[in-house]
Amino acid sequence: GAVVSQHPSWVICKSGTSVKIECRSLDFQATTMFWYRQFPKQSLMLMATSNEGSKATYEQGVEKDKFLINHASLTLSTLTVTSAHPEDSSFYICSASQGSNTEAFFGQGTRLTVV
Amino acid sequence: AQSVTQLGSHVSVSEGALVLLRCNYSSSVPPYLFWYVQYPNQGLQLLLKYTSAATLVKGINGFEAEFKKSETSFHLTKPSAHMSDAAEYFCAVRGNNDMRFGAGTRLTVKP
Repeated sequence: GAVVSQHPSWVICKSGTSVKIECRSLDFQATTMFWYRQFPKQSLMLMATSNEGSKATYEQGVEKDKFLINHASLTLSTLTVTSAHPEDSSFYICSASQGSNTEAFFGQGTRLTVV
Repeated sequence: AQSVTQLGSHVSVSEGALVLLRCNYSSSVPPYLFWYVQYPNQGLQLLLKYTSAATLVKGINGFEAEFKKSETSFHLTKPSAHMSDAAEYFCAVRGNNDMRFGAGTRLTVKP
C-alpha cells in the first residue's frame, strides 16, 4: 500500500515553454502533498506544501507564479513549471501524506531538462 | 521551525560492519522523525518512523533508530552492513505543514 505515482519520470522541454508534473496517491487519500527540488548530490529542498482544496504554501524564495501548484483532489496534485528556463532543470520530487504528523510517501521523481 | 542536522555527509564501512548514521533534531514540541533511503535517480523510501510510541524503532532491511530526547538525537543503525545498503540516507522531521530533510549521508559499503 501507500503508493505515490509521479509522472512523467523525465521530460525535456524548450526554454519558454511550460511543463506539468503530476503526483497521484494511488491507494490512499492525501490531504497534504509536498513538492521538493533536488540538485545533484544535495538534499531535498522543500518548495511548497499543498493541502487539498487550499492554496499551496510556498517556501521563501520560491516563485509561486513560476511554480504553479494545484491540489484539486485528495489523490492528485500538479506542479506546473511555467516559462521554463535552463536553470529550472532539476529533479523534482513529490510526496503525499494522509494527515498531519504522519509519514509521507514519495513519488519516483521527475528529471526536468530545459534546453 | 523544526529542523534536522545530519553529521557526516559520507560514511564508509566494510561489509558486515556496524552502520551508524547520525541525526540530531531541533524542535520545540515532540518531534515526528523519519529516516528515508534514496537510490540513484529515484524517489525516497521510508525506512522507519518515530511517532512517540516507542523510543527504539525498528524499520525495514534490518535498520533501527533510537530516539534520545536528552541528546536530541535519532541515529540510524544496522548491526551488519550489506553491499545493497549503499545509498543516500536522509533524516526528516515533520511539522504541521511541512516536512524538512537533513543534508543527507552517503553510505558506501566496501567488500
